[in-house]
Amino acid sequence: GAVVSQHPSRVICKSGTSVKIECRSLDFQATTMFWYRQFPKQSLMLMATSNEGSKATYEQGVEKDKFLINHASLTLSTLTVTSAHPEDSSFYICSAYRGAGTGELFFGEGSRLTVL
Amino acid sequence: GENVEQHPSTLSVQEGDSAVIKCTYSDSASNYFPWYKQELGKRPQLIIDIRSNVGEKKDQRIAVTLNKTAKHFSLHITETQPEDSAVYFCAARAGETGKLIFGQGTTLQVKP
Repeated sequence: GAVVSQHPSRVICKSGTSVKIECRSLDFQATTMFWYRQFPKQSLMLMATSNEGSKATYEQGVEKDKFLINHASLTLSTLTVTSAHPEDSSFYICSAYRGAGTGELFFGEGSRLTVL
Repeated sequence: GENVEQHPSTLSVQEGDSAVIKCTYSDSASNYFPWYKQELGKRPQLIIDIRSNVGEKKDQRIAVTLNKTAKHFSLHITETQPEDSAVYFCAARAGETGKLIFGQGTTLQVKP
């Protein structure tokens, strides 16, 4: 299957700082990338849809100014958590969509964010 | 928008027994229904998927059934093994945008 790489896998930061998470599709061009957040023992909640070259579409209740998404190329999307607070501590997972065909989403390894 | 409900939230079975997890969806336009297995701290792994033009799909010990009229789909695991223990998520997608909405998850425990 296709490979999606996410970095960093773990990050610890102080409250008030910003953290950037990268998501790369290594062997295909992703028309769309999605960012999910998963709290302990909960489901994957879609945060936003990222399309290359255009503004991200955020799900209801997700603050676009706090979770900045940039999709600069067909292989890279970044999520920046700005002014992070302890309640932002979570598992963030990106996924890449190659387009109609198999229909499958390919997930990154996830990034565990801990805000102190 | 789409809403996916998944039951049960936890399921415990003896090794060798079958396990069934059920999901319902709200958007009649949904046409793709994958199932994922997630181990603690890891990414979700696709285990089987089904499209709306098919009623049933099987892959060795795993099968998925889809009832479009009732808007529900189910995962069936036969001859369960301890390594099947994990959290399982169903999901649904409408159209070809790729956007998946996930169910709440089922924690499956297979007792040796």
